[in-house]
Formats: sequence, C-alpha cells, structure tokens
Amino acid sequence: GIQVEQSPPDLILQEGANSTLRCNFSDSVNNLQWFHQNPWGQLINLFYIPSGTKQNGRLSATTVATERYSLLYISSSQTTDSGVYFCAVDLGAGNNRKLIWGLGTSLAVNP
Amino acid sequence: GAGVSQTPSNKVTEKGKYVELRCDPISGHTALYWYRQSLGQGPEFLIYFQGTGAADDSGLPNDRFFAVRPEGSVSTLKIQRTERGDSAVYLCASSPDGTYGYTFGSGTRLTVV
Repeated sequence: GIQVEQSPPDLILQEGANSTLRCNFSDSVNNLQWFHQNPWGQLINLFYIPSGTKQNGRLSATTVATERYSLLYISSSQTTDSGVYFCAVDLGAGNNRKLIWGLGTSLAVNP
Repeated sequence: GAGVSQTPSNKVTEKGKYVELRCDPISGHTALYWYRQSLGQGPEFLIYFQGTGAADDSGLPNDRFFAVRPEGSVSTLKIQRTERGDSAVYLCASSPDGTYGYTFGSGTRLTVV
C-alpha cells in the first residue's frame, strides 16, 4: 500500500523562528491534507492541498504532486503552534475515501 | 450540533468485556469515519459510512469490531471481548460528503486492563 513519510520526526523551535515540515508519499493520490493535533489531542484540518500552494496566515503549504511531496511552512512560530503535525492522503473517488496518515512531526515551540 | 461529539471521553474496561463508543456528527454531514490512534502513531482507518451504509469497513481489525449508523446520523462503534491491545484513542470524524471539510471529535480514550 501507499507509504506516507514525514520529516523531521521531532522539532524544537524558539518562538519567532520559521520551519519547514516535509511529507513524502509513494504513489499518486487524490488529495492530501495537513492536520494539527494539539497537546490535548484535538485534530484540526489545516489545508486540503492535492497540488499547488495555499496560505492561511502564518502557515502555508505546497504540494508537488508529480514529485510526490508536500511541504508545510510555519513562519514566526508561536507557543500555540506546538503539537503534532500530520500529513494524510486519500487515494481516490467513490468509496475509497480513507485517509492514510504519516507518523507526524512533533513540534515544540519554546517561549 | 456545532461539532463532532464523542462519548464517553474516557473508558476503562476489563479484558473480555463489551464496550460501545458513540459518535454524534455535525448535523447534515453524510460521511462519518472512525479511526484509532495509538501512542506515537498517526490515526489508523477503521470504517467509513456514507449515510446509513458502511462504504468501506476494510480497516476493522477483526470480527470483534463492529459499527453501525442506523439513521445516518449517530454512529456506535462496538467492541466485543476486549483485549489489552485494543487500548487506544478512538477518533470519529464527519464530512459533508466525504471529499472535504473533515471535522474530528475529541476522541474516546479506551483502556483495557
């Protein structure tokens, strides 16, 4: 089956720093999503991004589908950005809607 | 409701017992998903409902696991003869049609002792 690999596995930042998280996937996908899981376990969708670039405030994401990777950029990091960032892909239309997840990048932003 | 509600938030049960986990999705969302997350892992797909029917149950690990959504709204995940390996956080998500707008609940932490 499809493999989703995220790097780095862990990241520690000082508040105000920028970072780039990477997601590689082993096969063509229908859609790719980035999620943030806060320290209390709540998962929030950040981006739906099968291709191209999107921006939302201090976060932006780029997916290069032909090269099977996606990047999540965090600028001017804040302590509230701490948590785990997951990349998840779905494989197609119709009934094949399950998400395949990476292991995540655990981010700690220190004040 | 305003969000996806999961109950209970925590459940401790003895090995061999039966448990039911409930998910109340956002009103009007036809798609509903169950995932399971173990410590340090990403969520693992269990089952996907479109309306009342299970469109994909390929992630259910064995026949001890079963899920229903009889009226196309609330769903119940049922686990028979629980084992210690079933301990995890069980997450539910809903979506307007399965293509976008995923909203996750806060999860049920199941501990089998």
